[in-house]
Amino acid sequence: GEDVEQSLFLSVREGDSSVINCTYTDSSSTYLYWYKQEPGAGLQLLTYIFSNMDMKQDQRLTVLLNKKDKHLSLRIADTQTGDSAIYFCAETRMDSSYKLIFGSGTRLLVRP
Amino acid sequence: DARVTQTPRDKVTEMGQEVTMRCQPILGHNTVFWYRQTMMQGLELLAYFRNRAPLDDSGMPKDRFSAEMPDATLATLKIQPSEPRDSAVYFCASARDSPYNEQFFGPGTRLTVL
Repeated sequence: GEDVEQSLFLSVREGDSSVINCTYTDSSSTYLYWYKQEPGAGLQLLTYIFSNMDMKQDQRLTVLLNKKDKHLSLRIADTQTGDSAIYFCAETRMDSSYKLIFGSGTRLLVRP
Repeated sequence: DARVTQTPRDKVTEMGQEVTMRCQPILGHNTVFWYRQTMMQGLELLAYFRNRAPLDDSGMPKDRFSAEMPDATLATLKIQPSEPRDSAVYFCASARDSPYNEQFFGPGTRLTVL
């Protein structure tokens, strides 16, 4: 994931908001995604945003996209212990719409 | 509900042995991906197929790895001979044609090469 970067770790208290950040380098990105990986499981799509949008809200999740700065964030409101997992940012590009470029993942730990 | 299945879930083998991992994509999905996940390298795309044809295997060490789709319901990833550095979790994912290209991941095969 050298073209998609994320911080490695985030720790929050239960009930607080979590914000996970991601930067990408390719301006031809068409869709950007957040995937969640729980221990011992595969990745699961949480949400996605098309590159011509700047915000998407889905229940407790808010995705913000700043195309100028190539910055994507995922905000989880009222974070629960069940949200503890690894969160991957990913992008697809115009030249290869089937392939996802993943970041290295941010491990979110929610403390009771 | 429809899921990607992978077998085996865990495999322990000795260096030099052949390893075959299998994946059954979701019925109707026409794109299949193989990924490898390690602590050091993170998630790496090894290869992917569209309509059973290999599209890109540039992420795969060619001398020992091979990936095939003998039919639309089965994808295989083979390592021969295996080495300790191949120890990782190998994920298969499948997708169907859609504007946003959601990939559905299997539970993974945890491979340990001694």
